[in-house]
Amino acid sequence: EPEVTQTPSHQVTQMGQEVILRCVPISNHLYFYWYRQILGQKVEFLVSFYNNEISEKSEIFDDQFSVERPDGSNFTLKIRSTKLEDSAMYFCASSVSSGGIYEQYFGPGTRLTVT
Amino acid sequence: AQTVTQSQPEMSVQEAETVTLSCTYDTSESDYYLFWYKQPPSRQMILVIRQEAYKQQNATENRFSVNFQKAAKSFSLKISDSQLGDAAMYFCAYRRSQGGSEKLVFGKGTKLTVNP
Repeated sequence: EPEVTQTPSHQVTQMGQEVILRCVPISNHLYFYWYRQILGQKVEFLVSFYNNEISEKSEIFDDQFSVERPDGSNFTLKIRSTKLEDSAMYFCASSVSSGGIYEQYFGPGTRLTVT
Repeated sequence: AQTVTQSQPEMSVQEAETVTLSCTYDTSESDYYLFWYKQPPSRQMILVIRQEAYKQQNATENRFSVNFQKAAKSFSLKISDSQLGDAAMYFCAYRRSQGGSEKLVFGKGTKLTVNP
């Protein structure tokens, strides 16, 4: 069964450094998402992306964050200057459509640790 | 803004028994979607079951069923004949059906332990 993959599984970085988290969505999916989960807290929506544009973003998704689909398969989340509070599990998700009760399929996550 | 509340941080059940996980939500909208996701220790979230708010019939997927009470804004998950593989975090989630928003709004989760 097709699945969403994410790399790396764990990333450690120093405060102020840039990080890029990578995701390969399911191949026929058109809608892509990033969520994050700070340890012990709920999963929070960051951004959704369709047709090479951000379709929705949360207040968390400030100017330090950006997303890109650099080719036909990858979907990336970049954090320009990481802060301690960016430490979290970051989940990528994709869906074939945005309307209806279509399922969002989640990747296994990237654990980001900012020191 | 929509909110989702899971009031049980942890639950436990004996293998082969039945357990119910609670979820309530707050919304002013009349049409929306509700989901239960399972997150095993491997960390990949998997959809367990989904419900459209306009449907009165409760969704069922094998051993998993929901009790959807729209007026009470309640969406509980019942797991029958619990198995060791059901041990996981369970997240309740809400999504709007209109207005173009695709984001899932999650509860804080319930950690389910299955005892042999």
